[in-house]
Amino acid sequence: AQSVAQPEDQVNVAEGNPLTVKCTYSVSGNPYLFWYVQYPNRGLQFLLKYITGDNLVKGSYGFEAEFNKSQTSFHLKKPSALVSDSALYFCAVRDEGLGGGNKLTFGTGTQLKVEL
Amino acid sequence: KAGVTQTPRYLIKTRGQQVTLSCSPISGHRSVSWYQQTPGQGLQFLFEYFSETQRNKGNFPGRFSGRQFSNSRSEMNVSTLELGDSALYLCASSLGEMNTEAFFGQGTRLTVV
Repeated sequence: AQSVAQPEDQVNVAEGNPLTVKCTYSVSGNPYLFWYVQYPNRGLQFLLKYITGDNLVKGSYGFEAEFNKSQTSFHLKKPSALVSDSALYFCAVRDEGLGGGNKLTFGTGTQLKVEL
Repeated sequence: KAGVTQTPRYLIKTRGQQVTLSCSPISGHRSVSWYQQTPGQGLQFLFEYFSETQRNKGNFPGRFSGRQFSNSRSEMNVSTLELGDSALYLCASSLGEMNTEAFFGQGTRLTVV
């Protein structure tokens, strides 16, 4: 079965500093990996995805993520955090080994707090 | 282009009642998935419809059901509501291939009293 782990419930970072939100995954086939962000009382907004190719994926709002197959990780990064980045971040995976279908398995989420 | 539209945004129901939630996907998207979000269980997959057929199903009781119409709009129904069904229900639409991202609606906040 596919699974995703986000080991940190909360990450605190000062504005202007780099940020990293961690994600590891487990799948039986090739993974399709996604990052989403959720603001209070809102749905999820798509940030970026890894399908194949370059291990460094660039997405919206200056975010990027690094795919590491040997460590089964897909950490979200941003070189310089903004207060407006404060939100709940979810990592998600689709497992190609499970065949067709769009089922996403989500991690438990990481609350990012960026302080002045 | 218009995003994913979910209606209603908020609902309050009594235990034992049933409820129907609606989702209009992005134009051209044939896949609609439903998720339940609660503080305790996080985001859990309910089911996915693709071209009017259920393609995937999560581990929810039969009280949770859905359908998709020919215009790709989808509804989900919960019968015999329980207090534990209180949650944010999110709908996601996508083109349908595994390598495409899903776009989420703002959700329907269901409160069961």
